Amino acid sequence: GIQVEQSPPDLILQEGANSTLRCNFSDSVNNLQWFHQNPWGQLINLFYIPSGTKQNGRLSATTVATERYSLLYISSSQTTDSGVYFCAVVARNAGNMLTFGGGTRLMVKP
Amino acid sequence: DAGVIQSPRHEVTEMGQEVTLRCKPISGHNSLFWYRQTMMRGLELLIYFNNNVPIDDSGMPEDRFSAKMPNASFSTLKIQPSEPRDSAVYFCASSYRGAKIYNEQFFGPGTRLTVL
Repeated sequence: GIQVEQSPPDLILQEGANSTLRCNFSDSVNNLQWFHQNPWGQLINLFYIPSGTKQNGRLSATTVATERYSLLYISSSQTTDSGVYFCAVVARNAGNMLTFGGGTRLMVKP
Repeated sequence: DAGVIQSPRHEVTEMGQEVTLRCKPISGHNSLFWYRQTMMRGLELLIYFNNNVPIDDSGMPEDRFSAKMPNASFSTLKIQPSEPRDSAVYFCASSYRGAKIYNEQFFGPGTRLTVL
């Protein structure tokens, strides 16, 4: 099946810093989503981005489908950004099933 | 919209007992998914339904696990008998799937299951 690799696995930032999270996938995809899992365990949708660039406030994401990677940018980080960020993809010919990466655990210190 | 609703939010049971997890998808969505999250294996798909029909259950661990979707607004995941290694957070998600349209999936709050 498709492989989804996220980097870095762990990241510690000072409040106000910027960061880039990366997601590499091993095959063509029909769908790519970024999620934030907050400290209470909820999975919050950030972006639905099979290709192109999107922005939502301090967050933006870019997917280059032909090169099989996606990037999540966090600017001016806040302590509430802490948690785990997951990339998940629906592979071609894989129905509608999401395959998750291992996540990037982010801690933002005040 | 209320989002995906799951119940119970927490379940503590003893080994050998039957456990039933419930899910109500977002109204209008026709695909429903059950995922499990553990420290060892991360987030993994157990089974998904399209228009109430099970499409892929290859992620279901073993015969102790079963899932049903009797109608478009309700699904259950049952574990019988439960074992300590089934302890995990179980998420339900839903989306709208059209012909060649892969829309985003939305997740419920999860059920944290502890089997003693």
